[in-house]
Amino acid sequence: NAGVTQTPKFQVLKTGQSMTLQCAQDMNHNSMYWYRQDPGMGLRLIYYSASEGTTDKGEVPNGYNVSRLNKREFSLRLESAAPSQTSVYFCASRSGQGGEQFFGPGTRLTVL
Amino acid sequence: EDQVTQSPEALRLQEGESSSLNCSYTVSGLRGLFWYRQDPGKGPEFLFTLYSAGEEKEKERLKATLTKKESFLHITAPKPEDSATYLCAVQVDSNYQLIWGAGTKLIIKP
Repeated sequence: NAGVTQTPKFQVLKTGQSMTLQCAQDMNHNSMYWYRQDPGMGLRLIYYSASEGTTDKGEVPNGYNVSRLNKREFSLRLESAAPSQTSVYFCASRSGQGGEQFFGPGTRLTVL
Repeated sequence: EDQVTQSPEALRLQEGESSSLNCSYTVSGLRGLFWYRQDPGKGPEFLFTLYSAGEEKEKERLKATLTKKESFLHITAPKPEDSATYLCAVQVDSNYQLIWGAGTKLIIKP
């Protein structure tokens, strides 16, 4: 099993450009999450999907949109990137049997 | 406001020198407290879940404990490979949303 995979690993954007971060899990988990991680701060939840077909806002949703494409895939879209969105983005999934989340390797995004 | 605070921010130990990391929390209702390990350039890796005061979990050189206000991650006789950032998070609702601490960067010198 690959676990949680994310693409791309690195990305540089100019202000105003758009892009989609991809996430997929092969563990048959129901719930999926998108976080951002900034230096000196804890992980902050952007959006989550408790089950296929549902999505909800987290702590910092402004400037982002998500799509739960199917049970495996959960994408994060930046419509008009801003320098404040420079961060490392992590996708995670949870089985529903316990609270632990399993994380992907992250996408390091720089917005110039 | 729900809050999680980890201390110290960084900790440097000699190999074999035991110590503890602290995670203090103020939440309206604790549903679970999680410890993760994060290596540079990688995603967090799950270590433990604690649900009630007095509970303890162990894994190799690590032992996690929980009180009503804080959790400790005790590391006994650490090795250089234990060097990582250790993250603490608390579950605040039934959808398993987590509030995260900023982490403690642990460096073990040979």
